[in-house]
Amino acid sequence: GAVVSQHPSWVICKSGTSVKIECRSLDFQATTMFWYRQFPKQSLMLMATSNEGSKATYEQGVEKDKFLINHASLTLSTLTVTSAHPEDSSFYICSARESRGGSYEQYFGPGTRLTVT
Amino acid sequence: AQRVTQPEKLLSVFKGAPVELKCNYSYSGSPELFWYVQYSRQRLQLLLRHISRESIKGFTADLNKGETSFHLKKPFAQEEDSAMYYCALSGRGYQKVTFGTGTKLQVIP
Repeated sequence: GAVVSQHPSWVICKSGTSVKIECRSLDFQATTMFWYRQFPKQSLMLMATSNEGSKATYEQGVEKDKFLINHASLTLSTLTVTSAHPEDSSFYICSARESRGGSYEQYFGPGTRLTVT
Repeated sequence: AQRVTQPEKLLSVFKGAPVELKCNYSYSGSPELFWYVQYSRQRLQLLLRHISRESIKGFTADLNKGETSFHLKKPFAQEEDSAMYYCALSGRGYQKVTFGTGTKLQVIP
């Protein structure tokens, strides 16, 4: 099946610095990728929808200037957490949508654990 | 607005017992419903979707539009079924997916 990778798998950064997380579809092209955030023992909260070659669509309450999303190619989307603070510590998960003959399949990455100290 | 409700955070059943994980949804149009599963230390993966009407690993789910439910069922639980289960919904055309809060299924040997 299709595989989605994320890098890094975990990262620790100091408060005030920026962190970039990559999401790649390894064996398929994804015009649409999604970024989720998951707090411990809670569900996935959609942050934004990333469309290749256009601006991302952010969910209500998600700061566009803080969570920068770039989807420059059909296999790569990046999420940059700018000026990170401890409250940004979370598990970030991306997913990529593959088009299959009129229907779609969504594949999830393994997630990136961000800890801001 | 689209919403998915999973009322149980934890469901414990004995091996061989029937399982039913509840899911109710709210959506103004015609939704697509899914069940995702996350085994320990693994990524989220699709278990089944209502349009496929298939049985995966012995699990089935029927979309009940009258009750706006999409409960996941299995007649005989296995230990390897222990995992987190998320019910999810999207609008037609598979746009953004909204997840429920998840139910942890614990199968007791």
